[in-house]
Amino acid sequence: KAGVTQTPRYLIKTRGQQVTLSCSPISGHRSVSWYQQTPGQGLQFLFEYFSETQRNKGNFPGRFSGRQFSNSRSEMNVSTLELGDSALYLCASSPPWATEAFFGQGTRLTVV
Amino acid sequence: AQSVTQPDIHITVSEGASLELRCNYSYGATPYLFWYVQSPGQGLQLLLKYFSGDTLVQGIKGFEAEFKRSQSSFNLRKPSVHWSDAAEYFCAVGSYSGGGADGLTFGKGTHLIIQP
Repeated sequence: KAGVTQTPRYLIKTRGQQVTLSCSPISGHRSVSWYQQTPGQGLQFLFEYFSETQRNKGNFPGRFSGRQFSNSRSEMNVSTLELGDSALYLCASSPPWATEAFFGQGTRLTVV
Repeated sequence: AQSVTQPDIHITVSEGASLELRCNYSYGATPYLFWYVQSPGQGLQLLLKYFSGDTLVQGIKGFEAEFKRSQSSFNLRKPSVHWSDAAEYFCAVGSYSGGGADGLTFGKGTHLIIQP
């Protein structure tokens, strides 16, 4: 069974640009969540989607947004990029019957 | 608000020695607790989880963790570490609304170094 797939793996963007990251969950998983990992702040929860609806949201500015499609694939978008947005962005999916989250390899975003 | 504290930023252990990584949590209801491991440049791999039942839970790679409600702790242990256990370890707390896990709150992580 394929794991959580995130694309692209690496990305370099310029300040002020926007970026879209993609996540394909494990087959059968309908919950997808996103996390930002930085050396200073550690792992921080961005938002969680279930059946195309955002159920939970972390404490991030409105520049960070996401969506989920009917096939459970998810995208997150960051607009007006800042240097501080440089981070590893991790996507995780959860099966309907369980509490644990399974993570992808992440997308390493560098803002220059 | 829920929170997780991992008091040890770095731990150095000799290969073959026992290991205990500490985790304390703050959560209003019965917590879902997890330990994850991350190798450099990689995503997180789930080692084990606890929600209810036996307070000693077994995980993959020979790890176990003990839930102690009175101490709000969920410490990770391994009787004998291997060089391949060198990694970053994260404790996390979460909840469940049906249909899958809600967002997880992570500790800052413990960096495990294995001495030969």
